[in-house]
Amino acid sequence: QVQLVQSGSELKKPGASVKVSCKASGYTFTSYAMNWVRQAPGQGLEWMGWINTNTGNPTYAQGFTGRFVFSLDTSVSTAYLQISSLKAEDTAVYYCARVRVYSRISNYMDVWGKGTTVTVSS
Amino acid sequence: SSELTQDPAVSVALGQTVRITCQGDSLRSYYASWYQQKPGQAPVLVIYGKNNRPSGIPDRFSGSSSGNTASLTITGAQAEDEADYYCNSRDSSGNHEVFGTGTKVTVL
Repeated sequence: QVQLVQSGSELKKPGASVKVSCKASGYTFTSYAMNWVRQAPGQGLEWMGWINTNTGNPTYAQGFTGRFVFSLDTSVSTAYLQISSLKAEDTAVYYCARVRVYSRISNYMDVWGKGTTVTVSS
Repeated sequence: SSELTQDPAVSVALGQTVRITCQGDSLRSYYASWYQQKPGQAPVLVIYGKNNRPSGIPDRFSGSSSGNTASLTITGAQAEDEADYYCNSRDSSGNHEVFGTGTKVTVL
């Protein structure tokens, strides 16, 4: 079945880096883009950006430039989110989600990973 | 700040109908998709496009759009529909996406 399996929870100190993985299975990885979504504790969903799984070209939302990097390893159908110089405010659940295109004016996320909790604390 | 605005919370009696709205200028040009999120779980897609339900989503969920407002309607709400609901669409530039502020639905 189609699924996205994310890596496990991480506890990091401020200033460290973390790399979250999102392994796809059950479909052709390069046929669909991947979104990354953040959810801070008790807060709503926040779109971080997306990566073109064909070209590897990432697009970042405002607020997620500089310390956040999306990457791929298509040989193992896996997308990655790396966050450097971690801050306490990066504490959140990070989701990957497959992007489907409905039309020129609409796309949607039909498959989600279960989320990876990143906790930043000294 | 989010470009898609939702009411923070709504309540509905069991079996009754509730409409959740999502307002934003970009909705004049783009369809919204809707996601249900229960505590401790990943979001689940419930409506996409003009008014499409993924396989497995009950037909009591429906979507509509008018002007700058997209709506998700639950007709005959069930206890299991109690959750947070988020809309998502392109932003005003069309190059990025944005989530709505989220609506907590309580089924009484």
